Amino acid sequence: AQSVTQLGSHVSVSEGALVLLRCNYSSSVPPYLFWYVQYPNQGLQLLLKYTSAATLVKGINGFEAEFKKSETSFHLTKPSAHMSDAAEYFCAVSGTDKLIFGTGTRLQVFP
Amino acid sequence: DAGVTQSPTHLIKTRGQQVTLRCSPKSGHDTVSWYQQALGQGPQFIFQYYEEEERQRGNFPDRFSGHQFPNYSSELNVNALLLGDSALYLCASSFWTGDSQETQYFGPGTRLLVL
Repeated sequence: AQSVTQLGSHVSVSEGALVLLRCNYSSSVPPYLFWYVQYPNQGLQLLLKYTSAATLVKGINGFEAEFKKSETSFHLTKPSAHMSDAAEYFCAVSGTDKLIFGTGTRLQVFP
Repeated sequence: DAGVTQSPTHLIKTRGQQVTLRCSPKSGHDTVSWYQQALGQGPQFIFQYYEEEERQRGNFPDRFSGHQFPNYSSELNVNALLLGDSALYLCASSFWTGDSQETQYFGPGTRLLVL
């Protein structure tokens, strides 16, 4: 069975600081991995996805993630946090046409 | 180009009642998936519709049923509502290629409160 684990339900950073949101996956087949962002009272917006074309994936809003098979990880990073990045972030793995989500990480950005 | 739309945005029901939620997929998409997101949790897969048939189902009871229409729009029906059904219900659309890497695009959701 496929699954993802997001380490840290809450992450707080200062504006301009590095953002690092952790995601580890479990999959018996090469995985397709996704990061989605959810702003308050809204649906999910795709940030980026990994489909085995390249291990470093660049997404929208300056975010990127690196697929590391040896560590079964797909951590999300952004070099410099902005106040508008405050939201809930979900890592997901695609399993037979459905998405399996982690429990989410709430990112707070302080001025 | 309109994205995924859902209606209504909010809904209040009482225990035992029935509810119908609606979803229109993104233009060009033919597959609709439904997810339930309880407060503080990640979305959980309910089921997926393609060619007006339920292709796959998550671990949800038969009280949850759905339908897909010829124009690819979809409905989610929940019967005999329980307090635990209170959640944000998300619809996602995609274009079926037979490959699990297809991106699913989400609507804004319908927030259901069961009293």
